[in-house]
Amino acid sequence: GENVEQHPSTLSVQEGDSAVIKCTYSDSASNYFPWYKQELGKGPQLIIDIRSNVGEKKDQRIAVTLNKTAKHFSLHITETQPEDSAVYFCAPQRGNTDKLIFGTGTRLQVFP
Amino acid sequence: DSGVTQTPKHLITATGQRVTLRCSPRSGDLSVYWYQQSLDQGLQFLIHYYNGEERAKGNILERFSAQQFPDLHSELNLSSLELGDSALYFCASSAPGQGVNTIYFGEGSWLTVV
Repeated sequence: GENVEQHPSTLSVQEGDSAVIKCTYSDSASNYFPWYKQELGKGPQLIIDIRSNVGEKKDQRIAVTLNKTAKHFSLHITETQPEDSAVYFCAPQRGNTDKLIFGTGTRLQVFP
Repeated sequence: DSGVTQTPKHLITATGQRVTLRCSPRSGDLSVYWYQQSLDQGLQFLIHYYNGEERAKGNILERFSAQQFPDLHSELNLSSLELGDSALYFCASSAPGQGVNTIYFGEGSWLTVV
């Protein structure tokens, strides 16, 4: 949807702790929910995504959960490592949308 | 390597000048998106082209324009540059027919206006 917010805007955790980033959207027709990771000096890269017919998806230490009723989805990172430090963006969308809007971004810092 | 190529990687220019940023999408991708990212800011959607046609515009200034050529590469033209135009400009591409827009970003073009 066009109104996309992320919380928190910054997040600092100790290595080994978990991190959760929440993305709230306004377009109830959204049916695809990806998360992108942007490392310093690089372009964002897709790390995990979920479609609206699934409530949760896991890939090793990262997972995404979706609450369509409340119009939010979250990125979960367990056993965080310093290399998880980056800016994370969500980009909820409906189908092949022409106007692809990203969330406000969350800067995650993992301290060793 | 995402397969999206952007040139130049870095550019320093003076206020009032005009620059052109170039993007070559992944092989086979028909969609090209342009985004602006200022320091500590998010990704601001500028414009989307699909197979040579403009499909959507975001908050793109009138001083900025873009086009996509028959070989599918795209150019973003920035004119009458101001200090506030200093930013990282990303191009991204996606493939048709997948039902969703998984997009692949280039490494970006750093523009500094002095």
